[in-house]
Amino acid sequence: AQKITQTQPGMFVQEKEAVTLDCTYDTSDQSYGLFWYKQPSSGEMIFLIYQGSYDEQNATEGRYSLNFQKARKSANLVISASQLGDSAMYFCAMREGSGGYQKVTFGIGTKLQVIP
Amino acid sequence: DTGVSQDPRHKITKRGQNVTFRCDPISEHNRLYWYRQTLGQGPEFLTYFQNEAQLEKSRLLSDRFSAERPKGSFSTLEIQRTEQGDSAMYLCASSLAFPGQGTTNEKLFFGSGTQLSVL
Repeated sequence: AQKITQTQPGMFVQEKEAVTLDCTYDTSDQSYGLFWYKQPSSGEMIFLIYQGSYDEQNATEGRYSLNFQKARKSANLVISASQLGDSAMYFCAMREGSGGYQKVTFGIGTKLQVIP
Repeated sequence: DTGVSQDPRHKITKRGQNVTFRCDPISEHNRLYWYRQTLGQGPEFLTYFQNEAQLEKSRLLSDRFSAERPKGSFSTLEIQRTEQGDSAMYLCASSLAFPGQGTTNEKLFFGSGTQLSVL
């Protein structure tokens, strides 16, 4: 089974509108972390937001928020007030386990295009 | 504050040649990772270092691949006898992790990658 599933290969959003990028995950661990990264055409992966499995509140970072639904194993990224500079690939990722090293697994990404 | 830098940005080589990539992490970061990303996929883990020690390698890392981090600072990734299937973006990331503490929130800082094309 895929550890991280992103089912939207591409999304369009009008500038200034909000958009939700979907992510579901699969793990049997109780302790895990969920991340979203942005990858513009330049190639660099940019950290956006983090949610811990024990965090009761949804994470927020500026215009980014993470809609964490633990029972459904989903961690959707919400971008509010989209800007042209938000056009990029977006990757959901998960780090599992506790103690020692835990590998980070990435989804295949969603390409977001913001329309003026 | 400089980020993670990778060199070169692009590399074109002929099949069978050896190539070496360099990664300079953020200076105080003790962990360094190599990932590979092919078109339409997310990054896939290759290997990681805690200071100068290489602690884990993926099965993706065949014996043609070798990575070093000799002084716990910069790292090199060498691919010997390149094959067309090695064509990919090679990403380096670094992080600051404290042994003994939970690391599920360990944030990776990535470089811009080295795009390898094997002809």
